[in-house]
Amino acid sequence: QQQVKQSPQSLIVQKGGIPIINCAYENTAFDYFPWYQQFPGKGPALLIAIRPDVSEKKEGRFTISFNKSAKQFSLHIMDSQPGDSATYFCAASMEGGYQKVTFGTGTKLQVIP
Amino acid sequence: SQTIHQWPATLVQPVGSPLSLECTVEGTSNPNLYWYRQAAGRGLQLLFYSVGIGQISSEVPQNLSASRPQDRQFILSSKKLLLSDSGFYLCAWSEGLAGGPSQETQYFGPGTRLLVL
Repeated sequence: QQQVKQSPQSLIVQKGGIPIINCAYENTAFDYFPWYQQFPGKGPALLIAIRPDVSEKKEGRFTISFNKSAKQFSLHIMDSQPGDSATYFCAASMEGGYQKVTFGTGTKLQVIP
Repeated sequence: SQTIHQWPATLVQPVGSPLSLECTVEGTSNPNLYWYRQAAGRGLQLLFYSVGIGQISSEVPQNLSASRPQDRQFILSSKKLLLSDSGFYLCAWSEGLAGGPSQETQYFGPGTRLLVL
């Protein structure tokens, strides 16, 4: 019940395309859903995050769509660029004393010029 | 601003040798600290977390241990490395109890790549 299921495992798109990465969760106590971006050999960095009281959040070319009833959320990258090539992790956490974040398994995105 | 440091960046160690990886955080106090391991092409496995000095919780039984001797210092250790300990080790921090909503974000260090031969 603590799992966050992420798909696809890998994704290849042409420059300008809109890759979509999907995540699903079971635990309704999760109330914070961040996405992390990781470049090879680097630590993950927070990209964008959403709370379940909103259905969509945009930051630049990155958009999170959130479906509370379906317990699913997804990341869309508009006008994708080769520099977006990285591994993306969705995550979920519960408000509380410490933050033990549950991460998805990651999606390796390659944007071809 | 807050920064997180990890060293060494890369380490090659023989099987059976000891290990000590260090992580320090600057610019914040009483952070929550975390050690993760990431196998090649895989997700993040939480190994240990700490909510205060000397307070360590283990997520996965293994031959690794962690210590937090100071508020902003987190150390990952092993007495005898195994081949299976190879991987990319990441330290992360988040705001402690007094941090408000931002405590839900974890900030990762640059990582240590460990190769056990």
